[in-house]
Amino acid sequence: QVQLVQSGAEVKKPGASMRVSCKASGYTFTDYYIHWVRQAPGQGLEWMGWFNPNGGSTNYAQKFQGRVTMTRDTSISTAYIHLTSLTSDDTAIYYCAREAEALGIWGQGTMVTVSS
Amino acid sequence: DIQMTQSPSTLSASVGDRVTITCRASQSVSKWLAWYQQKPGKAPKLLIYKVSTLESGVPSRFSGSGSGTEFTLTINSLQPDDFATYYCQQYNSYSTFGQGTKVEIK
Repeated sequence: QVQLVQSGAEVKKPGASMRVSCKASGYTFTDYYIHWVRQAPGQGLEWMGWFNPNGGSTNYAQKFQGRVTMTRDTSISTAYIHLTSLTSDDTAIYYCAREAEALGIWGQGTMVTVSS
Repeated sequence: DIQMTQSPSTLSASVGDRVTITCRASQSVSKWLAWYQQKPGKAPKLLIYKVSTLESGVPSRFSGSGSGTEFTLTINSLQPDDFATYYCQQYNSYSTFGQGTKVEIK
């Protein structure tokens, strides 16, 4: 079946960088955009941007521009989000989601904790 | 950026009630409006896209309507499984989520 499986939880120090992976299966990876959405503890959903695995184009939310990079490795059908200069405000669950008609398939989420 | 404002933030209801959640956009999002349901500890689940199209497998008691800047999610005959938080999302220009509406048991 179609699914997105994300990497495990991470703990990072302030100022460090994080990378979360999202492995797709059950469909042709390059046929659908991947979005990244995060959710701080007890808070709502925040859209971070989308990535086109077919060609690598991106569209980042203005809030994250300069600090976020979305990439992929098509050989293993995996998308990545890389976020730099982490602060405690970046503590959140990070989700990848596949865009077909809106965001119909979601990964299970990856908890990233930023703490000294 | 397009801002999405949901109301109410919290809604208390009973099983069998008809529930309506409103989402307003700061500018027109045309037909590019979706609704999601999220339960604690779980990823969001797509319910409705393009304002009113029900995602496959979603019960028909869920419906969406609206246009331009004002949209509504309606749940007819609320079921125990429907107590959750609901989010609207515009995907007309970049993307933005509403702040969420928690539907709790009255």
